Amino acid sequence: QKEVEQNSGPLSVPEGAIASLNCTYSDRGSQSFFWYRQYSGKSPELIMFIYSNGDKEDGRFTAQLNKASQYVSLLIRDSQPSDSATYLCAVMGNTDKLIFGTGTRLQVFP
Amino acid sequence: ETGVTQSPTHLIKTRGQQVTLRCSSQSGHNTVSWYQQALGQGPQFIFQYYREEENGRGNFPPRFSGLQFPNYSSELNVNALELDDSALYLCASSVAGGRTFTDTQYFGPGTRLTVL
Repeated sequence: QKEVEQNSGPLSVPEGAIASLNCTYSDRGSQSFFWYRQYSGKSPELIMFIYSNGDKEDGRFTAQLNKASQYVSLLIRDSQPSDSATYLCAVMGNTDKLIFGTGTRLQVFP
Repeated sequence: ETGVTQSPTHLIKTRGQQVTLRCSSQSGHNTVSWYQQALGQGPQFIFQYYREEENGRGNFPPRFSGLQFPNYSSELNVNALELDDSALYLCASSVAGGRTFTDTQYFGPGTRLTVL
């Protein structure tokens, strides 16, 4: 079992729709959870982080964390073609290192 | 822009050679982490430096080594390059706070290494 799992996609959504990206993790001691966006050929860009169970909203983005079920998700409202990228879920426990999933490729079509 | 810089942008080496990659952390950040990202994969943790000492290491052989300087900049050195070392090498900076490290890491633009 991988430490952090994501569906590789691609996830295709029409412009204006809600994109839902999911991630599960295996280490119950994980404390911090991050979503990064990575455009092709570029480095990861931090979108959001979440530490506590529940929802955290920032503009069009909402991160959701459920530690009991060991999953974290990212919702993107009013998806735009410019949101088309690979979204990386990353988890941090007590070791100060980020453990990444392989990423989900999102395609937003006009 | 995160304020994290890396050099060079691209690099081509041959198998068996040695390479040094450089990273300057964001202003105010004292911790540097290095990651390797192979094509189609998520970044893999190589090691982290804090106060000029290695603070945690991933599953990479000793031929991957690093340094951190008093100004918090860092180098990643790879000896005896192998074809599988071809990847995007990412540096991320963050702030250490108290007994636990502040989590949020900001990435530089990366160095694309190709080993022939």
